[in-house]
Amino acid sequence: GQSLEQPSEVTAVEGAIVQINCTYQTSGFYGLSWYQQHDGGAPTFLSYNALDGLEETGRFSSFLSRSDSYGYLLLQELQMKDSASYFCAVRSSNYQLIWGAGTKLIIKP
Amino acid sequence: ETGVTQSPTHLIKTRGQQVTLRCSSQSGHNTVSWYQQALGQGPQFIFQYYREEENGRGNFPPRFSGLQFPNYSSELNVNALELDDSALYLCASSSGQGKDTGELFFGEGSRLTVL
Repeated sequence: GQSLEQPSEVTAVEGAIVQINCTYQTSGFYGLSWYQQHDGGAPTFLSYNALDGLEETGRFSSFLSRSDSYGYLLLQELQMKDSASYFCAVRSSNYQLIWGAGTKLIIKP
Repeated sequence: ETGVTQSPTHLIKTRGQQVTLRCSSQSGHNTVSWYQQALGQGPQFIFQYYREEENGRGNFPPRFSGLQFPNYSSELNVNALELDDSALYLCASSSGQGKDTGELFFGEGSRLTVL
């Protein structure tokens, strides 16, 4: 079967750094995406890694290791507005994104 | 704002009924995909339309069907509704099937409740 594993919940303090891990097992692999979703809202795109290494976009960075079927999202200088669910998703074919169950990030002041 | 609009935002149906959900894609996007998101879960891929043709389908039964129109807007139809169909239905648009950047632009979704 195809699956993505990520922690169900992570708690961090405002201003801190947090890492959300994702491991995957899929029949095909084109790239790993990360999305943010606030309660009741639409998923919004954060980053995409097709090749190994680190991609940085402002306070957010994403890493991929294809040999380990592993990636992570790193959030720095956490703000209260970063409280949301974060999903990793693998593009396994020309058309399909397979999603993890999501990680709820709780930020405390 | 992603420029992707969905309607209706909320609806309630009874078991056995049929429902049609609509999606207007972002200007210039020729690909629309539909996802089902149950409460507390990640989105599940239903199908994708590229230039008016279905070019990919997830593990959903035939009672889930769709259309894409020449202006690239799309419909999702679900027949013979079941209680488990209660979910948030998300439409996402992209250009070139989103292959290059992995970026999909999502609408706010249609929340369907089946009683």
